[in-house]
Amino acid sequence: DSGVTQTPKHLITATGQRVTLRCSPRSGDLSVYWYQQSLDQGLQFLIQYYNGEERAKGNILERFSAQQFPDLHSELNLSSLELGDSALYFCASSSGTSNNRPYNEQFFGPGTRLTVL
Amino acid sequence: GQNIDQPTEMTATEGAIVQINCTYQTSGFNGLFWYQQHAGEAPTFLSYNVLDGLEEKGRFSSFLSRSKGYSYLLLKELQMKDSASYLCAVRDSNYQLIWGAGTKLSIKP
Repeated sequence: DSGVTQTPKHLITATGQRVTLRCSPRSGDLSVYWYQQSLDQGLQFLIQYYNGEERAKGNILERFSAQQFPDLHSELNLSSLELGDSALYFCASSSGTSNNRPYNEQFFGPGTRLTVL
Repeated sequence: GQNIDQPTEMTATEGAIVQINCTYQTSGFNGLFWYQQHAGEAPTFLSYNVLDGLEEKGRFSSFLSRSKGYSYLLLKELQMKDSASYLCAVRDSNYQLIWGAGTKLSIKP
């Protein structure tokens, strides 16, 4: 157990709909990352938040948005869903500093499997 | 641009040794990570290299040559449970992780 939690575990919805994925980072971690992984594909970095502020953006579509709240949990909003958005969505967290983990490695949640029909 | 290359697939035999290579071209270097990912599961951290040389951790070792932009992950005494994808990731000058596409390793009895 990485200490990162994600809900829901599975989500089935229709094209054109909007969904929200939720992530709670490890205790003490300030950075949250969102990734998309389509079937048999590599990890695609979407966006990073650090202590409530957007830190870095990857290949995130304009239909997608995210935010990190004062309690450090994060939500990823996906709208106008298309069939191609079906994927595993991972959240990861890291401390954001080297103080308590010198590698500052990312720990991943179990993911949300999104199926768009 | 930034690029990380790994073989797409590899096959090895139970009990043997396998080496998974990773070459990278990134804007700056602040460490290289290896992660293991079983199908449908989350990636899990395996190793970290920031200085040249070999880091050993049980059956797994990781090597880095910064001058060559090269790393490898060495897995010894392979077990069936080692069948997984192995992801190489480099932290660049902006402290962002650049991910390789992963190497899918299949272990045969």
